[in-house]
Amino acid sequence: AQSVTQLGSHVSVSEGALVLLRCNYSSSVPPYLFWYVQYPNQGLQLLLKYTSAATLVKGINGFEAEFKKSETSFHLTKPSAHMSDAAEYFCAVSDAFQGAQKLVFGQGTRLTINP
Amino acid sequence: DGGITQSPKYLFRKEGQNVTLSCEQNLNHDAMYWYRQDPGQGLRLIYYSQIVNDFQKGDIAEGYSVSREKKESFPLTVTSAQKNPTAFYLCASSSINYGYTFGSGTRLTVV
Repeated sequence: AQSVTQLGSHVSVSEGALVLLRCNYSSSVPPYLFWYVQYPNQGLQLLLKYTSAATLVKGINGFEAEFKKSETSFHLTKPSAHMSDAAEYFCAVSDAFQGAQKLVFGQGTRLTINP
Repeated sequence: DGGITQSPKYLFRKEGQNVTLSCEQNLNHDAMYWYRQDPGQGLRLIYYSQIVNDFQKGDIAEGYSVSREKKESFPLTVTSAQKNPTAFYLCASSSINYGYTFGSGTRLTVV
């Protein structure tokens, strides 16, 4: 069965500092990996996805993630944090990219940005 | 604009009541899903449907029921058998050419 572990339920960084949100996955098949962002009382918005093409994936709002098979990791980074990045972030894994895919989510990481 | 509409945004349920959460999409997506979100637990799959008149249980289907009579609609009923229904419920859809699109959620509270 597939699973996702996000290390750290809360991460706090200063504005302008590096953002690093950690995600490790477990999958018996080549995985498809996703990062989503959620603002309070809203749905999830896709930040980026890995679909077995380039291992470094660039997403929206300056975020990127690197797929490392040897480490079973898909950590999310942003070089310089902005106040608007404060939100909850979810890593997810799927065994399919399109169609009826069931996503398995991590427990989420709440990102706080300090002025 | 195409998207997913969930209603109501906030819902209050009395003990022993059944309540139905609405989810409508105009994206022409084949698959639809219901997830439950609790603090610190991420999202857990309740039910999903790949085509009209067909649906499958997810990881936490007990105490919930769904129907898929139309492609664009996938309502979720929270029955009195669900002992801890207070949560944030998210509906989503997907198609062969696109990933997931999520609705804005319904927050259900037992009073």
